[in-house]
Amino acid sequence: KNQVEQSPQSLIILEGKNCTLQCNYTVSPFSNLRWYKQDTGRGPVSLTIMTFSENTKSNGRYTATLDADTKQSSLHITASQLSDSASYICVVSPDRGSTLGRLYFGRGTQLTVWP
Amino acid sequence: SQTIHQWPATLVQPVGSPLSLECTVEGTSNPNLYWYRQAAGRGLQLLFYSVGIGQISSEVPQNLSASRPQDRQFILSSKKLLLSDSGFYLCAWKTSGTYEQYFGPGTRLTVT
Repeated sequence: KNQVEQSPQSLIILEGKNCTLQCNYTVSPFSNLRWYKQDTGRGPVSLTIMTFSENTKSNGRYTATLDADTKQSSLHITASQLSDSASYICVVSPDRGSTLGRLYFGRGTQLTVWP
Repeated sequence: SQTIHQWPATLVQPVGSPLSLECTVEGTSNPNLYWYRQAAGRGLQLLFYSVGIGQISSEVPQNLSASRPQDRQFILSSKKLLLSDSGFYLCAWKTSGTYEQYFGPGTRLTVT
């Protein structure tokens, strides 16, 4: 069964601290993995996207890693800011640029950054 | 640049009433279009997708329907809403053959 599991479910950190969010998946075949940031009441916005041949990708203070062998990914946030408070969603696609673009979504990690 | 719009932003409807949510995309042609629902504490669930005008595929049996009357317009409808239809509805688009899906701002539907 194709599944995407994220941990922790929620996380509270102080402003300026670093944190790491985890994603494990069983989706097969595997094409790519994305991390989205979703502010409350808004649509998800893409942070990074990695194909099976990539093992790390950065977008500013966000760094995603991928281990396609163990089917694990992590999202590391450096020097957190209040605006980082959001839900972070791990999304896996089995389609290699196909017409449909089917996606499997994790439930997200709710990150809260306190001042 | 491409943009995606959804309206209304929020909606409160009684059980048994009809529904019509609209999604439009600007700045691209022949996009793949998607409707998702996000229930509280759950991941996004794909409801419908469309690869062209008049072409609709349903992922989950339900009392909702979708239509694509124009290339860049996607409509989600229901004849009679259920309490379980409450949720956050997201429209998304992508170009065929590429990976990235772009999401709209969403519609918060509350069925009372």
